[in-house]
Amino acid sequence: EDQVTQSPEALRLQEGESSSLNCSYTVSGLRGLFWYRQDPGKGPEFLFTLYSAGEEKEKERLKATLTKKESFLHITAPKPEDSATYLCAVQAVGGGSNYKLTFGKGTLLTVNP
Amino acid sequence: NAGVTQTPKFRVLKTGQSMTLLCAQDMNHEYMYWYRQDPGMGLRLIHYSVGEGTTAKGEVPDGYNVSRLKKQNFLLGLESAAPSQTSVYFCASAGQVYGYTFGSGTRLTVV
Repeated sequence: EDQVTQSPEALRLQEGESSSLNCSYTVSGLRGLFWYRQDPGKGPEFLFTLYSAGEEKEKERLKATLTKKESFLHITAPKPEDSATYLCAVQAVGGGSNYKLTFGKGTLLTVNP
Repeated sequence: NAGVTQTPKFRVLKTGQSMTLLCAQDMNHEYMYWYRQDPGMGLRLIHYSVGEGTTAKGEVPDGYNVSRLKKQNFLLGLESAAPSQTSVYFCASAGQVYGYTFGSGTRLTVV
């Protein structure tokens, strides 16, 4: 069974204080690892897909990295508008699990001005 | 540029009532999904479809039925609502492995 664990559950930062969110996963074979951002009352919004260990992707103040067991979402000099819940999900290879995503419970990030 | 549209956005049901949630996508995606999101539980897959006329069970299918009669629409039905089905329901679609596009959600309360 595919499993995704995110830590911490909640993180409070001061504006400009860089940090990282962790996503550890267990999957029989990884097709892709996804990061989403979710604002209150809205659906998740796609950020990144990572496919293989060593891969990195960046978008503004966010950088996602991937190893064989975990992914990190690094937030550099965050701003209050980066406050949201960040979700990690994995997509496994193989018949029955094709294209389904298994999600972690998310990390609630709050950035104070 | 609508993407994925869910209706209704809010609904209150009495225990035992039935209802249908509608999801429509205009991206010609093959794959569609229904998830529920509960505090402390994350997003859990209810049912999914890999193409028009096909459906399959996800992680938490009990008490729900689905239909995909047209490629652009994916319906989620509750035949006899229970308080345990109080949740926020999200529909998503995908055309390939690059990630889902989610709707804005339906907040359902069963009293």
